[in-house]
Amino acid sequence: NAGVTQTPKFQVLKTGQSMTLQCAQDMNHEYMSWYRQDPGMGLRLIHYSVGAGITDQGEVPNGYNVSRSTTEDFPLRLLSAAPSQTSVYFCASSYGSGANGYTFGSGTRLTVV
Amino acid sequence: AQSVSQHNHHVILSEAASLELGCNYSYGGTVNLFWYVQYPGQHLQLLLKYFSGDPLVKGIKGFEAEFIKSKFSFNLRKPSVQWSDTAEYFCAVISETGNQFYFGTGTSLTVIP
Repeated sequence: NAGVTQTPKFQVLKTGQSMTLQCAQDMNHEYMSWYRQDPGMGLRLIHYSVGAGITDQGEVPNGYNVSRSTTEDFPLRLLSAAPSQTSVYFCASSYGSGANGYTFGSGTRLTVV
Repeated sequence: AQSVSQHNHHVILSEAASLELGCNYSYGGTVNLFWYVQYPGQHLQLLLKYFSGDPLVKGIKGFEAEFIKSKFSFNLRKPSVQWSDTAEYFCAVISETGNQFYFGTGTSLTVIP
């Protein structure tokens, strides 16, 4: 099925651990983004990519790294997890300009203890 | 920088009541406007979008929104809500470059049967 696939769906980390949230899309979308969703704060952009090999920072990039080696994949790396990174993370993609509207993945709920 | 304000944080309605959720944005240039819905435990789904033309936009499930440029507003409406409309609703704006979405903080709608 076409869409945006995120793994894992749930994850618990200890402070200081590292991990990678995976995001893959099979729609040949150029634009891909990572958002975090926190109560009362809506969705905030972490990093985004306009194509393979091109990434840029969003509103809240600190503590996160990304890379885009292929069109399909856009992993988000937490280098040293902190409790402040407890959140729900959504990956989104769009064909061409994001002005067409994004397709969102089902989210990863991350808890850092 | 652009921003989006949703003034209603939590709305409770009875079935068949009319709905209007407010959304204001701050950006002086050309914008594309969106409403997304997030049902409990699910990812964001596009309800409707405005690019240009008729300022009254119709979306899925009987929702519509009106773009009023002079008021920088893009309010969401539905004449008669159903219990299944219980969800969180996000207004979003994207600039001409289409690289970044800016989301409001969301409005939680609870419809009582």
